[in-house]
Amino acid sequence: SAVISQKPSRDICQRGTSLTIQCQVDSQVTMMFWYRQQPGQSLTLIATANQGSEATYESGFVIDKFPISRPNLTFSTLTVSNMSPEDSSIYLCSVEDIRGVMDEQYFGPGTRLTVT
Amino acid sequence: AQKITQTQPGMFVQEKEAVTLDCTYDTSDQSYGLFWYKQPSSGEMIFLIYQGSYDEQNATEGRYSLNFQKARKSANLVISASQLGDSAMYFCAMRKRGSSRLTFGEGTQLTVNP
Repeated sequence: SAVISQKPSRDICQRGTSLTIQCQVDSQVTMMFWYRQQPGQSLTLIATANQGSEATYESGFVIDKFPISRPNLTFSTLTVSNMSPEDSSIYLCSVEDIRGVMDEQYFGPGTRLTVT
Repeated sequence: AQKITQTQPGMFVQEKEAVTLDCTYDTSDQSYGLFWYKQPSSGEMIFLIYQGSYDEQNATEGRYSLNFQKARKSANLVISASQLGDSAMYFCAMRKRGSSRLTFGEGTQLTVNP
């Protein structure tokens, strides 16, 4: 399985600031995704990070608030912009391997964000 | 639209015993996959097991097995010989073929007692 790392693992940020989260995979993957998990909640897909083109956002999430980059097949970033306390969540990067095998979708260790 | 329901917010089991975590789903798709993930307090999501909708056999991975009943639209996770380290939140998820989006249930908090 792919090994996924995320930076930072956690952060405490002031409202109104922005934080960029990095996701690095040890092998090329076709699909990379960003999920959010608010406290006590399940996971919600924010967007699919497309290599070489703009990310595809889910309903309720917009590029101005969550800009995403994917410069190559092993790396992506998610920025949480103009943060408010409601953005306090765990943000998780997820990947599907390069074969697009149905049964393989893995998650990174997550970034625990607290906005004060 | 797809929907996953996990009706057990919390479950308790004695160490070394087996436990079943329930998951039912609703979909109009014919081809889909079902996943179980474990989330310890550290927050990481650990992939446990996968079942394809056309798989004849129930999936097994070590102490984890998936009791797949397609007609009932259920995909329960069975953990055998529970260990203290199994205490965590468990999420059931599904994904239809051709889509990369995982739809998650609300999760079940499992506590293994010594």
